[in-house]
Amino acid sequence: SQTIHQWPATLVQPVGSPLSLECTVEGTSNPNLYWYRQAAGRGLQLLFYSVGIGQISSEVPQNLSASRPQDRQFILSSKKLLLSDSGFYLCAWSSGSGSLAQYFGPGTRLLVL
Amino acid sequence: QKEVEQDPGPLSVPEGAIVSLNCTYSNSAFQYFMWYRQYSRKGPELLMYTYSSGNKEDGRFTAQVDKSSKYISLFIRDSQPSDSATYLCAMRRNSGTYKYIFGTGTRLKVLA
Repeated sequence: SQTIHQWPATLVQPVGSPLSLECTVEGTSNPNLYWYRQAAGRGLQLLFYSVGIGQISSEVPQNLSASRPQDRQFILSSKKLLLSDSGFYLCAWSSGSGSLAQYFGPGTRLLVL
Repeated sequence: QKEVEQDPGPLSVPEGAIVSLNCTYSNSAFQYFMWYRQYSRKGPELLMYTYSSGNKEDGRFTAQVDKSSKYISLFIRDSQPSDSATYLCAMRRNSGTYKYIFGTGTRLKVLA
């Protein structure tokens, strides 16, 4: 069966510091991968998605970037965090073919101080 | 107008009640419909996944899609306090995009 991992689970970072969040998927090949941010009391905001290694689509111009160095690895980064980057970051995957259901990881809670 | 509308609640029901959660949407091209349950500080968990119109049942959960009305529902029978969570609907077109459109979620409280 497929499993999606995210780490760290919680992160407290000062303003201006760099960020690296990692997501890996097990049990599937060539998945579509997604990064979302969920602010308190608000819906899911799609940040990036990737349909293959090195292929990144950005949905919202901002302080963040994403990379996909391996088939089942998706990384969310920032060179300098802003206060507004605080939130709950979720990685998700869907199959590249067949069922289009989307599955989420456990999330990373980021607090920028 | 948002592509997907969902009442934020909170919706409070007594234990054992039948719960009805709903979403409306505007894009007739949506073909895949999903319901997620999200507990506080956790990632969303996929509950139900349906393609096109019709009903799908899984235990106490039933998902219904009415494409003519652009309306989807999730019914929870014999609701339990453990069902207290936020429920998100999501949908996607069959082709031409990899993006999923989410409702903002309905917060449900099942009172013991």
